Amino acid sequence: DAGVTQSPTHLIKTRGQQVTLRCSPISGHKSVSWYQQVLGQGPQFIFQYYEKEERGRGNFPDRFSARQFPNYSSELNVNALLLGDSALYLCASSLFPVMGGNQPQHFGDGTRLSIL
Amino acid sequence: DQQVKQNSPSLSVQEGRISILNCDYTNSMFDYFLWYKKYPAEGPTFLISISSIKDKNEDGRFTVFLNKSAKHLSLHIVPSQPGDSAVYFCAADLTGTASKLTFGTGTRLQVTL
Repeated sequence: DAGVTQSPTHLIKTRGQQVTLRCSPISGHKSVSWYQQVLGQGPQFIFQYYEKEERGRGNFPDRFSARQFPNYSSELNVNALLLGDSALYLCASSLFPVMGGNQPQHFGDGTRLSIL
Repeated sequence: DQQVKQNSPSLSVQEGRISILNCDYTNSMFDYFLWYKKYPAEGPTFLISISSIKDKNEDGRFTVFLNKSAKHLSLHIVPSQPGDSAVYFCAADLTGTASKLTFGTGTRLQVTL
C-alpha cells in the first residue's frame, strides 16, 4: 500500500513569492496534518484537517493556509515567503476520530523548501 | 515554551546492547505519547505509542515506559542494531484534539559495531 506522498520533493523560491505544497494521505485516512521542521528542531504543528474542515491550527501567521479536498488530499499554501520559511514541510495522515482512542500519524518524506 | 524535551542530543551504543532514549514533558494534559524514528531525507517513521492509562508497551525490540507522576517516558531498544542508527523523536498528543503532535528536539542514536 502506498504511504503518504508529498510533492514536490524540493523547491526553491525567492522572498515574497508564494508556494503550494501537496499531500496525498494513506488510502482510507481522512485526517491530514501539516508540520514544519527547521534544522535541528522537531516538527512543529501547522494545521490539521478532517473531512475538509480545519480542526486545529498551530502558532503560524496568516500567510500559511491549507485546504483538504473531497478525496482527502491536501494543499498547504504559504504567501509572501520569508527567509525563515526555509524548512522541511511534512504531511501526516491518520484515522481520526477513532472509537476508543488515538491513532498514530504516518508521515510522508516531506517537501524541502529553500528561500533565497 | 518547550513542552516536550529530549535533553540528550546524541547517544552512542554498541551493537547488541540496550539503547535508552529519554523524554520529559511539562503539560499534564498530554495523554498519548509516541516515538518516531527519522533517517536523513525521509519523513519520521512511527515506532511505538503508549496511552496514559498504561505504563508500559512493547513491540518486538522496542519498549516504551511511561511515568506519569514524573512526566517522563523512555524508549528501550534491545538489542540495538546498526540499522537503528537514526534520530529519534518523542511526541505527545491530547485525546480528542486535532491530532496536534508536540515533538521534542530529537536524539541522534548511533549504534556502533
